[in-house]
Amino acid sequence: QVQLQESGPGLVKPSETLSLTCIVSGGSMSGGSISTYHWNWIRQPAGKGLEWIGRMHTSGSTNYNPSLKGRLTMSIDTSKNRFSLKLSSVTAADTAVYYCTGGGYLSDYWGQGTLVTVSS
Amino acid sequence: EIEMTQSPAALSVSPGERATLSCRASQGINRDLAWYQQKPGQSPRLLIYSASTRPTGIPARFSGSGSGTEFTFTISSLQSEDFAVYYCQQYIDWPWTFGQGTKVEIK
Repeated sequence: QVQLQESGPGLVKPSETLSLTCIVSGGSMSGGSISTYHWNWIRQPAGKGLEWIGRMHTSGSTNYNPSLKGRLTMSIDTSKNRFSLKLSSVTAADTAVYYCTGGGYLSDYWGQGTLVTVSS
Repeated sequence: EIEMTQSPAALSVSPGERATLSCRASQGINRDLAWYQQKPGQSPRLLIYSASTRPTGIPARFSGSGSGTEFTFTISSLQSEDFAVYYCQQYIDWPWTFGQGTKVEIK
C-alpha cells in the first residue's frame, strides 16, 4: 500500500519561502508500479475548499497552477522516494493545510496533510 | 480556468435514504470528472473517476453519472460513515479545479 507523509515547517514568515517534502513509501519511485505515477500538491485553507497547486510526473514534467505562477517550484528525487514543493514570497493567503498526493493519473493516495501558517 | 459549481451547498438526509448531489462545469469536460469524499479532520478520498467509475474498494452504493457540463453523484442508501463533504473535480484542462463542496448532514 502506497503511503505519503508531508514534512516541513508549520510556520513561515511573510515574504519567505514555504518548503515542504513528501516522503513516499510502499513502492519505489525509480522502478516498479509507482514509477509511472503523477505526484501532486493540493491545499485547503481552513474551512474552505480544495485547490490543486501543481502536478509532476516521475519523468520530471510539471503542471503548475497559473495562479501561483512564478512562485512555485516542484521537484522530485526518485532515488530518495520523495518529492518537494517550494512556494516563494508567501502571504497570509497561502495559509492552508497542504496535502501531497499520488496516483496513476488522479489522486489515489493522500498524505495526512500538514498545516502551514504564514505569520510574522 | 474551468469553474465547477456544486449544489446544494448542504443536504440533510436520514440514514438509509438516498442522497443526490449535482456538479456543473462552466464548459464541457466530456466525462473527465472525479468525486472525492472528505470527513472532518481527514484527507479527501477518491470515490469516482471518469464520471461514473469506482476505484477498487469503493462501495457500490456510491455512483456517478453525466457528461459534458452536468453531473450527478448519488449515495443510494446513506450509512453513518457517509456523512461528509463531497467535492467534484474536473481534470480535462489545467489547472484542475474543484467545486466548493456539498456537505451531507444527518437529518
